[in-house]
Amino acid sequence: GQSLEQPSEVTAVEGAIVQINCTYQTSGFYGLSWYQQHDGGAPTFLSYNALDGLEETGRFSSFLSRSDSYGYLLLQELQMKDSASYFCAEDRGSTLGRLYFGRGTQLTVWP
Amino acid sequence: EPEVTQTPSHQVTQMGQEVILRCVPISNHLYFYWYRQILGQKVEFLVSFYNNEISEKSEIFDDQFSVERPDGSNFTLKIRSTKLEDSAMYFCARGIPGQGYGYTFGSGTRLTVV
Repeated sequence: GQSLEQPSEVTAVEGAIVQINCTYQTSGFYGLSWYQQHDGGAPTFLSYNALDGLEETGRFSSFLSRSDSYGYLLLQELQMKDSASYFCAEDRGSTLGRLYFGRGTQLTVWP
Repeated sequence: EPEVTQTPSHQVTQMGQEVILRCVPISNHLYFYWYRQILGQKVEFLVSFYNNEISEKSEIFDDQFSVERPDGSNFTLKIRSTKLEDSAMYFCARGIPGQGYGYTFGSGTRLTVV
């Protein structure tokens, strides 16, 4: 089976920094991506890591450690509009792009 | 302008009826996917479609489901005899596996089976 673990919810205030962790199953691991989803909306791609290290895209960064089967999404300078669900998703090279999603982390940003 | 358009945005159907969900991916990608998300739960893979053929399907994608690309552009998901538990958001997506570009999801169709 497949299993990605991430916290169910996180809260923070505007301007703060928050880190959302994700651990994944190692068998066949190819890469880890992150998606944002606002209520009622479609998942929107944020970031992807196939190699160890940090990928930075504006206020959002994603990190991967293959040796620890672990990654995180870092959100800086939080804004109210960042309140959403954040999903880590694993793809495995043998499955032609099928994504295995975590259960999502609900981020609430307070003023 | 959305890159992946889905219709209808919301469909209500009676249990046992057939539904067809449509997706128009605006590009020449070869890889397309259907996912579903039951309210409040995670996004689940249904089927992948490569070069006009099913390349992989999940255990959810049973004989009640089928996919087609009838005219080379539109991409459909058919549920032959809907059940209450089929109520969910259905997303189509396009992407390039393993390339790190991420998948583009359509806006989704909310299917409600009553």
